[in-house]
Amino acid sequence: GQNIDQPTEMTATEGAIVQINCTYQTSGFNGLFWYQQHAGEAPTFLSYNVLDGLEEKGRFSSFLSRSKGYSYLLLKELQMKDSASYLCSLNQAGTALIFGKGTTLSVSS
Amino acid sequence: EPEVTQTPSHQVTQMGQEVILHCVPISNHLYFYWYRQILGQKVEFLVSFYNNEISEKSEIFDDQFSVERPDGSNFTLKIRSTKLEDSAMYFCASSYTGEGNQPQHFGDGTRLSIL
Repeated sequence: GQNIDQPTEMTATEGAIVQINCTYQTSGFNGLFWYQQHAGEAPTFLSYNVLDGLEEKGRFSSFLSRSKGYSYLLLKELQMKDSASYLCSLNQAGTALIFGKGTTLSVSS
Repeated sequence: EPEVTQTPSHQVTQMGQEVILHCVPISNHLYFYWYRQILGQKVEFLVSFYNNEISEKSEIFDDQFSVERPDGSNFTLKIRSTKLEDSAMYFCASSYTGEGNQPQHFGDGTRLSIL
């Protein structure tokens, strides 16, 4: 199986930049995906990486290093509405997405 | 923007009863999925479906579960003889292809409560 590890909780202030890390132990995968999930709501797709490097989408960027087994989600210009859980997930083979437990981010003013 | 829609938003069922959860995937998507999330736990894959067949399923998806595409727009999850531990949020998702670099788009979920 695969292990996906993320910090359980993080806190930050409005306007700041936060980096949410994700490490995994798997021999290979097709893509790594980041989702945002507000409490009681559906996961919403944010970003994905197939190749090593940085993918930028507005205030959100995601980075992947396959050799280091490591990804991060970077959130810039934090807003209160960014308070949510951020889920790192892998498509290792086939069609299934395997999720980490998620990182709960609390943004304060 | 097109979205995945799920009904009902909340389903309460007596233990031992059968329940059917409904989903309408995004119209031009070809792959459909069911995931579940027990309260406070991570999202878990149940099953994927393509071309009217199960493409992949997890260990959770045992004989108690079945999926169906009864018409050109709906995709259902049936849970027979429900148990207390089936209480969870059930998410339907869809993607245009099943390739591993394609994002899956999730519906708002059905909260299933087994009494």
